[in-house]
Amino acid sequence: DIQMTQSPSTLSASVGDRITITCRASQNINRWLAWYQQKPGKLPKLLIQVASILQNGVPSRFSGSGSGTEFTLTISSLQPDDFATYYCQQYDTEGTFGQGTKVEIK
Amino acid sequence: EVQLVESGGGLVQPGGSLRLSCAASGFSFNVYWMHWVRQIPGKGLVWVSRVSPDGTSTRRYVDSVKGRFTISRDNARNTLNLQMDSLRAEDTALYYCVRGTTSGATIFDHWGQGTLVTVSS
Repeated sequence: DIQMTQSPSTLSASVGDRITITCRASQNINRWLAWYQQKPGKLPKLLIQVASILQNGVPSRFSGSGSGTEFTLTISSLQPDDFATYYCQQYDTEGTFGQGTKVEIK
Repeated sequence: EVQLVESGGGLVQPGGSLRLSCAASGFSFNVYWMHWVRQIPGKGLVWVSRVSPDGTSTRRYVDSVKGRFTISRDNARNTLNLQMDSLRAEDTALYYCVRGTTSGATIFDHWGQGTLVTVSS
């Protein structure tokens, strides 16, 4: 089974900061990686697929990169609405989520 | 508007069974892969199972539920089901009905609100 590991588990940041979340796969998944945002009490929202393709309506401050086993999600200038938990998910073989990265206010 | 409405959750004893259902509307149900994803409140997401649009050619499960859970769908009624047998405490979670894609890629763009399953004596 493919394992997904995110780091850090928690990230404390301020509005306007540039932040990066890393996701590592236990084996090559090419670019079959998605990113989701989940706020407390809300449903997950698909942000990015195929490692770097933004879903319609997702602000351009979000970007994704990577291939193979290492991927990143970057928010170029953190906004108040961005404080949430972010999950990566591989879909090369079935679907495995990372454990999540909570982005909290510093 | 895409709508996914789950039902069937509840409290069940270890070893018991539950059948979850999901009523889908607002899209062409019979061309989409459908999934169940679970989440322990406050914890992470776990993909549980998926079924092909025709309901028969492909059914897949996460290892921890293989042999105990069965996914099915009724395209005439736009309904997705999950039969859960031999339930364990570790199956306790919020179960989401989730729409996948028409291509088979296991990514999720619409989620139901979830139905809570609690396995406890």
